[in-house]
Amino acid sequence: DAKTTQPNSMESNEEEPVHLPCNHSTISGTDYIHWYRQLPSQGPEYVIHGLTSNVNNRMASLAIAEDRKSSTLILHRATLRDAAVYYCILKAAGNKLTFGGGTRVLVKP
Amino acid sequence: GAGVSQSPSNKVTEKGKDVELRCDPISGHTALYWYRQSLGQGLEFLIYFQGNSAPDKSGLPSDRFSAERTGGSVSTLTIQRTQQEDSAVYLCASSLAIPSGELFFGEGSRLTVL
Repeated sequence: DAKTTQPNSMESNEEEPVHLPCNHSTISGTDYIHWYRQLPSQGPEYVIHGLTSNVNNRMASLAIAEDRKSSTLILHRATLRDAAVYYCILKAAGNKLTFGGGTRVLVKP
Repeated sequence: GAGVSQSPSNKVTEKGKDVELRCDPISGHTALYWYRQSLGQGLEFLIYFQGNSAPDKSGLPSDRFSAERTGGSVSTLTIQRTQQEDSAVYLCASSLAIPSGELFFGEGSRLTVL
């Protein structure tokens, strides 16, 4: 499995942007980069995904390095509701998905 | 239904009993995953089904654990002779079998073994 590396935790102030890095140096050409988050006492939920180009949706933006060996999830204005564990994973056709430890985001009011 | 459905949502059992956990994936999703999450821990991969291919069972922790997927839809995770260390939330997810297909997770089945 292609693996990802994320910091264990990050803190942010409310209303400020949060940049969550993910390293995936062994990514293959067909792997998609997916981000999920898990709010307390809930199942994980999809945030965003991309292949090569940067992506934006209503929840976040995904910036992908030109060599695709790293990516950054950007929460533009953190709210208290964004406090969660954020997981970066690589998804390829026909392969199982393994989750690392993720990054626990703490948002301070 | 609109999402992934898991049952039961909560199960309390005695050590040594067998339990079955059910997952109803989103219609049309050929990929189905089972994960286990112990308190305060990350998601531990258990098993992956993809269409008619042989499932990837590499994450099952012991031979007490088994899973099947009937008709390419509903999946059942069975734990035989439960132990206290089996206590966890068991999460099921489904997706389209393409790399861009997002995972949809159920709410999980919380298992407590006394």
